[in-house]
Amino acid sequence: ELKVEQNPLFLSMQEGKNYTIYCNYSTTSDRLYWYRQDPGKSLESLFVLLSNGAVKQEGRLMASLDTKARLSTLHITAAVHDLSATYFCAAQGNAGNMLTFGGGTRLMVKP
Amino acid sequence: KAGVTQTPRYLIKTRGQQVTLSCSPISGHRSVSWYQQTPGQGLQFLFEYFSETQRNKGNFPGRFSGRQFSNSRSEMNVSTLELGDSALYLCASSSQGHGYTFGSGTRLTVV
Repeated sequence: ELKVEQNPLFLSMQEGKNYTIYCNYSTTSDRLYWYRQDPGKSLESLFVLLSNGAVKQEGRLMASLDTKARLSTLHITAAVHDLSATYFCAAQGNAGNMLTFGGGTRLMVKP
Repeated sequence: KAGVTQTPRYLIKTRGQQVTLSCSPISGHRSVSWYQQTPGQGLQFLFEYFSETQRNKGNFPGRFSGRQFSNSRSEMNVSTLELGDSALYLCASSSQGHGYTFGSGTRLTVV
């Protein structure tokens, strides 16, 4: 059974600082996804990582995937208040077309 | 290009009643999957349909069911509602190699 763990669960940071969210998964996964969720809203797709060593960047966010370590990271560079949200990683296992989500990381960026 | 449309956005039901939620995927997407999001359990996979066939099912009781129509629209039904069924229900539309796009969700409150 595929399990996905994220840490930290909660992150409070100052604007301008850098930080990394970690996502570990338990078994082989075809793909790794990152989503953003604002309070009361749906999931917004950020990144899809398809292969070992994949790195994708969009603005202040950069995601990477290490399939050997079963680890994905979401790095935040020079955080701004607008990045405050909950971030989820999700792994798609080999068993089928379904996602297993991590518990989410609630990010608060303070001025 | 229209996104994933879920209706209704909000629902209030009484324990013991049943409810039907609807999801229209992105045009051309044949796979529709459903997820339940609660504060306690996080995001959990319910089921996935492709070309009117259920391909995968999560670990939910038989009170949760779904179907998909020939135009790829999907419905999920929950019978004999319980208080614990209160959640945000998210539908995701996907196409080979294009990841998952989520709808705005239906927030169900059971009283």
